Amino acid sequence: IAGITQAPTSQILAAGRRMTLRCTQDMRHNAMYWYRQDLGLGLRLIHYSNTAGTTGKGEVPDGYSVSRANTDDFPLTLASAVPSQTSVYFCASSEGTHNEQFFGPGTRLTVL
Amino acid sequence: GQNIDQPTEMTATEGAIVQINCTYQTSGFNGLFWYQQHAGEAPTFLSYNVLDGLEEKGRFSSFLSRSKGYSYLLLKELQMKDSASYLCARMDSNYQLIWGAGTKLIIKP
Repeated sequence: IAGITQAPTSQILAAGRRMTLRCTQDMRHNAMYWYRQDLGLGLRLIHYSNTAGTTGKGEVPDGYSVSRANTDDFPLTLASAVPSQTSVYFCASSEGTHNEQFFGPGTRLTVL
Repeated sequence: GQNIDQPTEMTATEGAIVQINCTYQTSGFNGLFWYQQHAGEAPTFLSYNVLDGLEEKGRFSSFLSRSKGYSYLLLKELQMKDSASYLCARMDSNYQLIWGAGTKLIIKP
């Protein structure tokens, strides 16, 4: 693993299904983030974690949950997917909260 | 984006210079970031300004005026590979990034 990885690359999901997007980094960064990117809008923060064991809500947290059991992994779960959650999801990490963020390749999610 | 304004699209010619402007809300400011994002790819870090003035990094430079809530990204000697979206992001008082919607830069031969 080099940097930050996400899985799956893309997914088509039926509404109402549960889905977990995976994110793993090998840079030993303290902070991690989940964003969604929609056409015409800026990246919007869903949830973040400043350090392992802590999480916080971003601008658009409803319908999503996260956990940060260790430094490397930061999964994002959609408990019951809805069509408005169709988006491209980016995971990012940074050494500290005030440092530049490094982004994973993204997951393209379609909810039908 | 929330309190971040940048042009939606710009067109420039290969070999020329282009300036992409960004204005932002000045309250709770902890720095201004620029990222590049090619279509279908992840954003990649270009620059960070927290003090007023110009930061030069090769063909790319970034300028900040904190009192005016204004930044720009200057790209010199444009190459076709510079065709991408350029994202401006303000770091707020909680050290979270507030992102603009991005400026799509089209480079013509």
